[in-house]
Amino acid sequence: QITLKESGPSLVKPTQTLTLTCTFSGFSLKTTGVAVAWIRQPPGKALEWLALIFWDDDKRYSPSLRSRLTITKDTSKNQVVLTMTNVDPADTATYYCGRRITVFGDVIPDYWGQGTLVTVSS
Amino acid sequence: QSVLTQPPSVSGAPGQRVTISCTGSSSNIGAGKVVHWYQHLPGTAPKLLIYGKDKRPSGVPDRFSGSKSGTSASLVITGLQADDEADYYCQSYDGSLSGSWVFGGGTKLTVL
Repeated sequence: QITLKESGPSLVKPTQTLTLTCTFSGFSLKTTGVAVAWIRQPPGKALEWLALIFWDDDKRYSPSLRSRLTITKDTSKNQVVLTMTNVDPADTATYYCGRRITVFGDVIPDYWGQGTLVTVSS
Repeated sequence: QSVLTQPPSVSGAPGQRVTISCTGSSSNIGAGKVVHWYQHLPGTAPKLLIYGKDKRPSGVPDRFSGSKSGTSASLVITGLQADDEADYYCQSYDGSLSGSWVFGGGTKLTVL
């Protein structure tokens, strides 16, 4: 059974650094073609992609947030960590992590966590 | 402003068919990039409905289908059911943004 679960602080002050952890089970980030992505959804707004890390440690970031984001993985713990610096109230959102695999050439972002709500406020 | 454009809302009666459009550009859908469709209720895990060339993950009924033409894609839901009421998002990849994931603004489906 494949599961992903996001964790982190529910409240962060402006200018602080936000650290979110995605803990997953049922698959390995050592497997060729596997990646873990982060997306978010501000209240009442659309989904927004943030970052992606591949099994080979290749990393991709949203161009608009690249300077503030760092994504890392710990394959021994089955975790992916997303760090966002200098947060602002506009970063208030539910943050989701999800798995992306490649099967016979098809890219499949198939499993997602329930999300964690982060509020940025002083 | 989302890179992909979706209608804010659509509605239909139970049993009817609805179509949700997703319009992109020559750097994403028009460039042949694959389009995924998700069903989402805020605060819950997004559910992948369509990937690749109109493929459905195991467990997604064939009432859901996808298509693509030019710079646009569509999600068609037939035999509308009450529990189809949710937000629906298209997602693709953009070559002008280094292959970044791009989402539509989402479409709220109301089952009348």
